[in-house]
Amino acid sequence: GAVVSQHPSWVICKSGTSVKIECRSLDFQATTMFWYRQFPKQSLMLMATSNEGSKATYEQGVEKDKFLINHASLTLSTLTVTSAHPEDSSFYICSARDPFRGNQETQYFGPGTRLLVL
Amino acid sequence: ILNVEQSPQSLHVQEGDSTNFTCSFPSSNFYALHWYRWETAKSPEALFVMTLNGDEKKKGRISATLNTKEGYSYLYIKGSQPEDSATYLCASPSGSARQLTFGSGTQLTVLP
Repeated sequence: GAVVSQHPSWVICKSGTSVKIECRSLDFQATTMFWYRQFPKQSLMLMATSNEGSKATYEQGVEKDKFLINHASLTLSTLTVTSAHPEDSSFYICSARDPFRGNQETQYFGPGTRLLVL
Repeated sequence: ILNVEQSPQSLHVQEGDSTNFTCSFPSSNFYALHWYRWETAKSPEALFVMTLNGDEKKKGRISATLNTKEGYSYLYIKGSQPEDSATYLCASPSGSARQLTFGSGTQLTVLP
């Protein structure tokens, strides 16, 4: 099946630093990728839709200057958490759709990144 | 924002038992209903995408049904095995990019 990787899988950083998370579609091209966040014991919450070659679309309540998304190629989207603070500690996971494989609506997920801000 | 709900929140069954859980979603403006299986330390894996009222899909011992008129879907697992232990998520797309709104999941533990 379609494979999506995410890097890093774990990151610990000091408050005030920026952290970049990469999401790659390994065997398909993805014009659209999605970034989700999961708080403990809660569901996946969509943060933004990442569109190749254009600006990301952010969900209500998600600060676009805080969570910078870049989708510069058809296989890579990055999420940068700028000036991270402890409240940004969470599990971040990306997904991508492959418009040429099976059901076009299916999203293929990366394994996620756990961020801990000290 | 859609309201997608799942029940129960968690479930423990013995190996060999059959089990089922529920996903409810708004029946108006229905587009599709997704089921995913999420094992610990792995990526969520797509199980089914269902679109038509009355749909029934099957993958091995796992099957799902869809009722779009009343806004619910059931996921069934026949003869549960320990490897079925995972969180099962349902999600419904909406918006121009068909973004997924997820339920909170049902965490299934199959005891050997």
